[in-house]
Amino acid sequence: GAGVSQSPSNKVTEKGKDVELRCDPISGHTALYWYRQSLGQGLEFLIYFQGNSAPDKSGLPSDRFSAERTGGSVSTLTIQRTQQEDSAVYLCASSTGLALPTDTQYFGPGTRLTVL
Amino acid sequence: AQTVTQSQPEMSVQEAETVTLSCTYDTSENNYYLFWYKQPPSRQMILVIRQEAYKQQNATENRFSVNFQKAAKSFSLKISDSQLGDTAMYFCAFRRVFSNDYKLSFGAGTTVTVRA
Repeated sequence: GAGVSQSPSNKVTEKGKDVELRCDPISGHTALYWYRQSLGQGLEFLIYFQGNSAPDKSGLPSDRFSAERTGGSVSTLTIQRTQQEDSAVYLCASSTGLALPTDTQYFGPGTRLTVL
Repeated sequence: AQTVTQSQPEMSVQEAETVTLSCTYDTSENNYYLFWYKQPPSRQMILVIRQEAYKQQNATENRFSVNFQKAAKSFSLKISDSQLGDTAMYFCAFRRVFSNDYKLSFGAGTTVTVRA
């Protein structure tokens, strides 16, 4: 596609429910990143994919968070048993995956998650 | 982990004037990349400018320029001839050069409001 897309744009859920957030990267980009932006905060790294593998998942805050990527393309971030502190904007980015300064991370519009 | 600090939560500037946003970072590495991203109310993160640490020349992109002071670990962004469309949150970000560590470390952001 022309850019990174994410769905849904907004998600309201009840505490304790599971949610799935989807990211569709730019075609051909092998690297994919998930970040979390809490209200009024900077972006916090969650996980990085190169192809289908995740060499860096150090930012996942707890075992309730998991992510997968299939076919080197679409990625899904799953949050189980959601808590109110999970409320945030979840941003996905993709890049060509090369360790060059020109390897810009292009961001999607994010999913705003609200846990009631 | 690298720490990125933006000490100005909010800045206001008159249209056509100049505003400078500050950013400092902490790293023991000699080579790295620095970025400024813009996030308008649409939530779409957009790369404004990037700087490679091994380059002494300050990066410039149209009305946007940086003042990179490597010894002081300072990376400020100057917006010249401010326009209403520059109203957004601006994030400073750091990225390591080494492979398998492509994640961006972000500051908390500076909200810039351009007044008509």
